[in-house]
Amino acid sequence: DVKVTQSSRYLVKRTGEKVFLECVQDMDHENMFWYRQDPGLGLRLIYFSYDVKMKEKGDIPEGYSVSREKKERFSLILESASTNQTSMYLCASSPTGGGSNQPQHFGDGTRLSIL
Amino acid sequence: GQNIDQPTEMTATEGAIVQINCTYQTSGFNGLFWYQQHAGEAPTFLSYNVLDGLEEKGRFSSFLSRSKGYSYLLLKELQMKDSASYLCASSGGYQKVTFGIGTKLQVIP
Repeated sequence: DVKVTQSSRYLVKRTGEKVFLECVQDMDHENMFWYRQDPGLGLRLIYFSYDVKMKEKGDIPEGYSVSREKKERFSLILESASTNQTSMYLCASSPTGGGSNQPQHFGDGTRLSIL
Repeated sequence: GQNIDQPTEMTATEGAIVQINCTYQTSGFNGLFWYQQHAGEAPTFLSYNVLDGLEEKGRFSSFLSRSKGYSYLLLKELQMKDSASYLCASSGGYQKVTFGIGTKLQVIP
């Protein structure tokens, strides 16, 4: 089974802090994604990466950056945390191939609170 | 652009059948995913439809009409453990997947 592991289940940080959320997958997937999930808004894509050192902006990249130095690890960085970034953050991965998009496998999520 | 519409909440009785509808407007449409998400847990993959028609997987079936921009998820013989949110997600462009807000299904005895 695919395992996507997020470093923290719950995290509390202060406004203005630099926050790192880490995600590791063990199935050699090419693609990795960061979403945030908010009530009434659903899952929204922040950034995704289709290869090492490659990144693409999603629908809501403002205030975030990402890093993918190794294939199995995809980090989300909040450069200067703000209260409107309080949310559930979900990491996902998927393989490439089959001529079509493949299902994404999700981590358990990090519930981040910015005070 | 991408736009997905699905009902916010539904209630159904244990043992019954329920149909969750989803309409989408997706440029470069590839296919339609359904995911299940229990409260406080990660979404898990249920189905992916690329071609028109019905695909059955045990108690769950998913239907797609590309010409109408319409899909539904059919759950038969409902069980209490089926209480969850069901996310419709359209795939358009390379690895670009857009999720709906999800339909929260409550199964009652």
